[in-house]
Amino acid sequence: SQQGEEDPQALSIQEGENATMNCSYKTSINNLQWYRQNSGRGLVHLILIRSNEREKHSGRLRVTLDTSKKSSSLLITASRAADTASYFCATDEGGNNRLAFGKGNQVVVIP
Amino acid sequence: DAGVIQSPRHEVTEMGQEVTLRCKPISGHDYLFWYRQTMMRGLELLIYFNNNVPIDDSGMPEDRFSAKMPNASFSTLKIQPSEPRDSAVYFCASSLSRQYNEQFFGPGTRLTVL
Repeated sequence: SQQGEEDPQALSIQEGENATMNCSYKTSINNLQWYRQNSGRGLVHLILIRSNEREKHSGRLRVTLDTSKKSSSLLITASRAADTASYFCATDEGGNNRLAFGKGNQVVVIP
Repeated sequence: DAGVIQSPRHEVTEMGQEVTLRCKPISGHDYLFWYRQTMMRGLELLIYFNNNVPIDDSGMPEDRFSAKMPNASFSTLKIQPSEPRDSAVYFCASSLSRQYNEQFFGPGTRLTVL
């Protein structure tokens, strides 16, 4: 079944730097979402971008979507130690209400 | 709202025992999802419900797994008999609608089967 796949899998950066993660998917979508998971916790929704949108901002987050390339990127600007987490993209598999999650990006922000 | 509530948070049991995980979705949400997360397989959708009715259980690994949603505010995931390979973190999530399907996750139940 379709599944978002993030790239790179692990990222270690200094506090204040930007972190960029990519996600690719295989079939048509209505929207793509990014979630964060802190260690030992459930996933938390960060941002949703619809298929007719190309870019969306939320605070220090910037998401882009390129439906022609079936890819998305998540940029976290001015990273903080609290941004240390795993980040997952999820796609809605072309209209079905279920989500297909990628394997996640581990981001470590070093104070 | 308290968010999605799961219990227990941790469960340690012996192989062969029955395990029941519980979930209370956010009030008013009409979709409920059960996921399993492991290092090897990532986050897997096991089953989901719409208005208390199971819609897709193709992710349920075996007949040992069953899920019910007797009403809009409660769901259970049961494993009988449990096996060591069932050890994982099990998440419940709920969402409000089909068109804007942001999912809200519970804190998870960490299951260890010895």
